[in-house]
Order: sequence, then C-alpha cells, then structure tokens
Amino acid sequence: AQSVSQHNHHVILSEAASLELGCNYSYGGTVNLFWYVQYPGQHLQLLLKYFSGDPLVKGIKGFEAEFIKSKFSFNLRKPSVQWSDTAEYFCASRMDSSYKLIFGSGTRLLVRP
Amino acid sequence: EADIYQTPRYLVIGTGKKITLECSQTMGHDKMYWYQQDPGMELHLIHYSYGVNSTEKGDLSSESTVSRIRTEHFPLTLESARPSHTSQYLCASSLAAASTDTQYFGPGTRLTVL
Repeated sequence: AQSVSQHNHHVILSEAASLELGCNYSYGGTVNLFWYVQYPGQHLQLLLKYFSGDPLVKGIKGFEAEFIKSKFSFNLRKPSVQWSDTAEYFCASRMDSSYKLIFGSGTRLLVRP
Repeated sequence: EADIYQTPRYLVIGTGKKITLECSQTMGHDKMYWYQQDPGMELHLIHYSYGVNSTEKGDLSSESTVSRIRTEHFPLTLESARPSHTSQYLCASSLAAASTDTQYFGPGTRLTVL
C-alpha cells in the first residue's frame, strides 16, 4: 500500500537556522508530491507541489523541496527559518491520475526567537 | 487563497446525539473530501465525492455518512455520536482535472463527544 513517512516528528530550531524536513514515499510509479503547512489555529495550506519537470520546486515563503526519484524522497528545505515558520508540516503523495492523497504523520516545527 | 468553509469550528456534544458537520466551497470545485485527523497523526480520507449525487467511502472506515446534493455543499452526518468519534474533521475540495489536482482545505471542525 502507498505510504508516506516523515521521520522527524518534532524539530526545534533557532531563528536563522537552516531547515530540512524529511519525506519518503513508497509508490514506485509516477507520483505527485505535496507539502502542506498548518500554522497554529489555521487551516492546512499548500506550500508547494511537484507534478513533473524540474525536481527542485520552489514554494511560498522561501520554502523549496527536491524530488529525488532514486531515493523516493521529497525533502522540504528553507535556508533560514523565522519565528513565524512555527507550524506543523505535512508531506503528501498521490499516484498519478488518482484522487487519493496519502499524508505523512506531520512534523511539528518550533522556531525559537 | 481557497474559499472553503466549515461549521462549527468546535463542537462538544453528548453520546447518542445526531450531528451534522457543514462544509461549503465557493470555487465551483467538482471534487470534495472529508478527512479525519487525530492529534499527532496523519490525515485519513473517510469520504469523497466526484460531483453532485456521487459519494464514496475512503480508506478509513467511518460510521459517518455524507451527501452531495449541491456542488458547493458536502455535509457529514453522524447519526449517533460516540466518544470514539472524537477527532478533527477536515473538508477539502479540488478541481476535476487529476493531472493538476490540488486539494484546498477548510479550517476543520474539532469534535468532542462526551
């Protein structure tokens, strides 16, 4: 069965530190990949998505993610985090032509000022 | 920014009550979804709809039911709430074209059944 793994459940960083959140998916075929963010008290928002083309995807608020097919990975990165990046981050995958989004269990990021 | 609304945002209710969680979107999206999310866990799809009068069960078994009489409205009903139904329920919608399908989420309803 298709699955998504996020290995870091909690991450604590100081402002200006670099961020990398891991995401691995299990499906071997063509996939669409997503990162969603949920700020405290707010709804899930799309950060970025990968469907095809350039494996380095840039999203909102300075985030980017790299699709590495050989590693089944889609890690999220940001070179310098801010206190306002404190949130929960969810990776999700979808088999091409499918409606189903499969979510990881999320990573809670706390950025200390 | 997606226009998808859920009411109520928070609900505390006693066992055995019938409840309906509302979800509406103003984007004209054909597809709508309900997810269940427990704290610290992934979202699980419990219902989805491709369009009016089309509803299907998702991966996670749920005692809830849904209806899709209008494109913009996708309510979820629990006939008899139980403590095991305590969870967060998230509604989402997307356009019909699968190749560029991106799901947009509502703010969620946090349900507590006593």
